[in-house]
Amino acid sequence: NAGVTQTPKFQVLKTGQSMTLQCAQDMNHEYMSWYRQDPGMGLRLIHYSVGAGITDQGEVPNGYNVSRSTTEDFPLRLLSAAPSQTSVYFCASSLTSVRTDTQYFGPGTRLTVL
Amino acid sequence: AQTVTQSQPEMSVQEAETVTLSCTYDTSENNYYLFWYKQPPSRQMILVIRQEAYKQQNATENRFSVNFQKAAKSFSLKISDSQLGDTAMYFCAFMNAGNMLTFGGGTRLMVKP
Repeated sequence: NAGVTQTPKFQVLKTGQSMTLQCAQDMNHEYMSWYRQDPGMGLRLIHYSVGAGITDQGEVPNGYNVSRSTTEDFPLRLLSAAPSQTSVYFCASSLTSVRTDTQYFGPGTRLTVL
Repeated sequence: AQTVTQSQPEMSVQEAETVTLSCTYDTSENNYYLFWYKQPPSRQMILVIRQEAYKQQNATENRFSVNFQKAAKSFSLKISDSQLGDTAMYFCAFMNAGNMLTFGGGTRLMVKP
């Protein structure tokens, strides 16, 4: 198993540009989520999904969209990038509920918005 | 809303010695989970240990153990026989009934040879 994969590893955007951060897992996990990590801070939950076709907002959802059309993929979309979205983004997955299952994190995507 | 506080931004320990990382949290819930994650320079987040709030027994995973004080809302991580590979950022995290994970600000641990 490849586990949780994220692409790209690095990305530089200009203000106002759009892009999609990709996340995929090959473990047949139902629960997937996106976090952002800012310097000196812990991870903050952006959006999460408990299964295909179901998504919900986390702590900091503004400026981000997600969809979950398949079990494997959970892309994160920035429709109009802003400098405040400069951060490291982590995707994570677990078999079912995070409360009882180990959560697996991807390697992260470092995004810079100029 | 839950808050998680790690009051030690940086710590260091000599190889083979023991170190304790502190974590406190604030919640009105009674049923929740607590976690410690390790983030090495590779940036990957690795689960170290997990504690269910309804369990009084402290969780242990090899050299890692926790001191869970529910009444005090304290959840410290003890690393015994520290190894160079333990050098990393350590995050304490709280999981509420709604499956939302809240992280503390992290503690940077340096293990010195």
